[in-house]
Order: sequence, then C-alpha cells, then structure tokens
Amino acid sequence: ETGVTQSPTHLIKTRGQQVTLRCSSQSGHNTVSWYQQALGQGPQFIFQYYREEENGRGNFPPRFSGLQFPNYSSELNVNALELDDSALYLCASSPMTVNTGELFFGEGSRLTVL
Amino acid sequence: AQSVSQHNHHVILSEAASLELGCNYSYGGTVNLFWYVQYPGQHLQLLLKYFSGDPLVKGIKGFEAEFIKSKFSFNLRKPSVQWSDTAEYFCAVKSGAGSYQLTFGKGTKLSVIP
Repeated sequence: ETGVTQSPTHLIKTRGQQVTLRCSSQSGHNTVSWYQQALGQGPQFIFQYYREEENGRGNFPPRFSGLQFPNYSSELNVNALELDDSALYLCASSPMTVNTGELFFGEGSRLTVL
Repeated sequence: AQSVSQHNHHVILSEAASLELGCNYSYGGTVNLFWYVQYPGQHLQLLLKYFSGDPLVKGIKGFEAEFIKSKFSFNLRKPSVQWSDTAEYFCAVKSGAGSYQLTFGKGTKLSVIP
C-alpha cells in the first residue's frame, strides 16, 4: 500500500455531465499529480499541484481542472464529459522537497462515459 | 515533445527464462528514467530508476536496467523470471528538475507460464 487513496473507485456518467474525483496523498507528501490511463495505453500526465497551485499541465483541455487543499488532498474535475474521457484516472503523490522523481500512485478511479 | 516507445506489447515466457524489455525515448537533454510495474489488481509502483552515475541500475526483485545514452535506450532485464513477475511494465522518462511530469510508454504485459 502506498497511502494514496482515491474515490470513487468506479463510476458511470453520461456524455455532457460533470465529474469530481478525489485523492488523499501519502503522509508527508505535498505534491499531487493526476494521470489519465486509457485502455491499452500508458498513463498520460494531466497536471500537478504544489502548495495549492497548478505548476505543470499536460496536453488536456481547460474542462479538466483541479484543486489542492491545505491538507494536500486534491480533486480532479472534468466538465462536459465526452466518450473519450472513459479511462482510469490515477492520482500520485510525491515530496517536492526531495526530487527523487518517484511517484506513489493510488489504485485509480475508473470512469465510464456512456 | 518527448515520447517513450516500448517495443513489445505482450511477452510470454516460461519460468526461469531470461527477460529483456525494450524502451526508447526521444528527448535529447538530461533525463531521468524509470521502470514502473503494475501487478494484477495492484497500483503502479516503482521498479527502478536512473538519475546519474553508473548506467547499470538495479531495482527490486532482481530486475536491472541499462541506460545507453547513444541509443536513447533504457532496457529492463532479469536473468530468470518467476511466475510472480507476471505484470504490466511501464517505462517512463522525466525531464527538467522540479517537475514530476513523467511521460510513460504504452506498457508491456508480461505473462510468465509456470
């Protein structure tokens, strides 16, 4: 176990709806990253949060947004869901003060968009 | 934009066979390289990493990888696989200090037959 917990584990939405995914980072970690893993693909970087601010973003549209809270937990919000948003969403935490590059992943939230 | 290529989608080996999984990346600057593993039903976890120094790095469970800068490669090896090595293996690259953005390959599924 990594100590990174995500909720919900599975959910089903319809096209056009909005979804919020949640992540609690490992104790002592102040940086949270979100990744999207489509079926048969590797994880793809969405964005990273440090000190409650986004400090890195991948090639995802603005309808993907996030928050980080003072306790370092985080949310991923996706608006106007599209069929292609169906994927496993992974949260990963890490200590920014020690740049080992090692990410500690949660087990993911599997989103199905119908 | 950097990219990571993993040459094998699915590898099937018998126990005690030797393993080599290929990984090539496209970024020409200083990189940090990783292999992550996902065992069935579990979260992604770090297998090994290369930051600098000896290009032959050793990880957990008898795995090792060799960084060959001239070939932009970071191949994963294990002399003798076990059934418990059945998993999906992802190669990843990180460029730039201070960022935790990893670019992952599509993954290689390894099936070890007892």
